[in-house]
Amino acid sequence: EAGVAQSPRYKIIEKRQSVAFWCNPISGHATLYWYQQILGQGPKLLIQFQNNGVVDDSQLPKDRFSAERLKGVDSTLKIQPAKLEDSAVYLCASSFQPGRTYEQYFGPGTRLTVT
Amino acid sequence: QQPVQSPQAVILREGEDAVINCSSSKALYSVHWYRQKHGEAPVFLMILLKGGEQKGHDKISASFNEKKQQSSLYLTASQLSYSGTYFCVMIADKLIFGTGTRLQVFP
Repeated sequence: EAGVAQSPRYKIIEKRQSVAFWCNPISGHATLYWYQQILGQGPKLLIQFQNNGVVDDSQLPKDRFSAERLKGVDSTLKIQPAKLEDSAVYLCASSFQPGRTYEQYFGPGTRLTVT
Repeated sequence: QQPVQSPQAVILREGEDAVINCSSSKALYSVHWYRQKHGEAPVFLMILLKGGEQKGHDKISASFNEKKQQSSLYLTASQLSYSGTYFCVMIADKLIFGTGTRLQVFP
């Protein structure tokens, strides 16, 4: 069974530029999560999708971050414009159903450096 | 409101045991545990649900005290492969990762 795919794996941009990350979850997984993990900290949930609907985006900085999951499968997370403090690893995860009772499977992450 | 884990770091010799604790200020529906090795993504270890149901590894055990909103992860006869950072994830109205416990196992 293929795991969660993410691209790109690494990205370096200058502040005020825009960037987009892509995630393809495990086939059949209805729930998709985007996390931000700053070095030395635990992952912070940015947004959770159930199929193509948003379940929780309370910690998504909506003035600069946006995410979509149009067909209920793959997803894109965008940052526009980027700030220095956005430097982090962006992790995508999926689960069969919402994560109360189902484990999450994480992708390899995208390491973003903003200079 | 981030779940607090203790200890922050543990150093073990192979074969030794360790306990990692996680505490929340909110009423919980379930607790998940993940391990993250350096430079890698978190990997699922265990889910503990209200009412005592568990899903997870055979060689790792955990407990969930619903009334105290606490969970503990028990690592017995540690192996080198156990090294990494352990996170509890507490599921209440939101999904929040704990502060993390760094575990290092030496030969």
